[in-house]
Amino acid sequence: ENVLTQSPGTLSLSPGERATLSCRASQNVSSTYLAWYQQKPGQAPRLLIYSTSNRATGIPDRFSGSGSGTDFTLTISSLEPEDFAVFYCQQYGSSPATFGQGTKLEIK
Amino acid sequence: QVQLQESGPGLVKPSQTLSLTCSVSGDSISRGNSYWNWVRQYPGKGLEWIGNIYYSGSTYYNPSLKSRVTILVDTSNHQFSLRLTSVTAADTAVYYCARLRRSAGAFDIWGQGTMVTVSS
Repeated sequence: ENVLTQSPGTLSLSPGERATLSCRASQNVSSTYLAWYQQKPGQAPRLLIYSTSNRATGIPDRFSGSGSGTDFTLTISSLEPEDFAVFYCQQYGSSPATFGQGTKLEIK
Repeated sequence: QVQLQESGPGLVKPSQTLSLTCSVSGDSISRGNSYWNWVRQYPGKGLEWIGNIYYSGSTYYNPSLKSRVTILVDTSNHQFSLRLTSVTAADTAVYYCARLRRSAGAFDIWGQGTMVTVSS
């Protein structure tokens, strides 16, 4: 299976700062099938980005995704208080679908 | 507005079968542009894809669970279901149903999740 490794494990930033989250795959991922999710405590994951760089419905444009091959990035241009959560990358270019272990974005 | 809702027992005894149902509203399972999935999340927060089903009944399972998993669809009642046999404490998790769009390979709609504990 295609193992996704996210870094850093925890990212401590202040509102207004830029956040850069990384996702590295053990095998190439088609850019069509790489997604990012945000999860807050007690809630289901919420789709932020699909197909590497497309924002899901209702997602603010401060969220952006990029990458190709085995290296993908989620960027939050200017953090809002509501952005602090855990973020997961996910691929389904090859079965089984797999998720990264998550990056916790916490308030500094 | 598309909504998914999981239902089923919150406590299952070891060696027994876990059974959950996902009710779909606001979308048609038969439309054919989505796969209908089960995903679980362990208490330590890791997410694991269990498997999915297409409206035709075709299924795809995670190889790590394939010998114990069955996913069925009931299009007339707008539901799909999960059966996981021979459960152990390692199957304790929050179970989510989720819609996956074929074109994007992403889970765009999730249920709220249901906690299932395996314990005697």
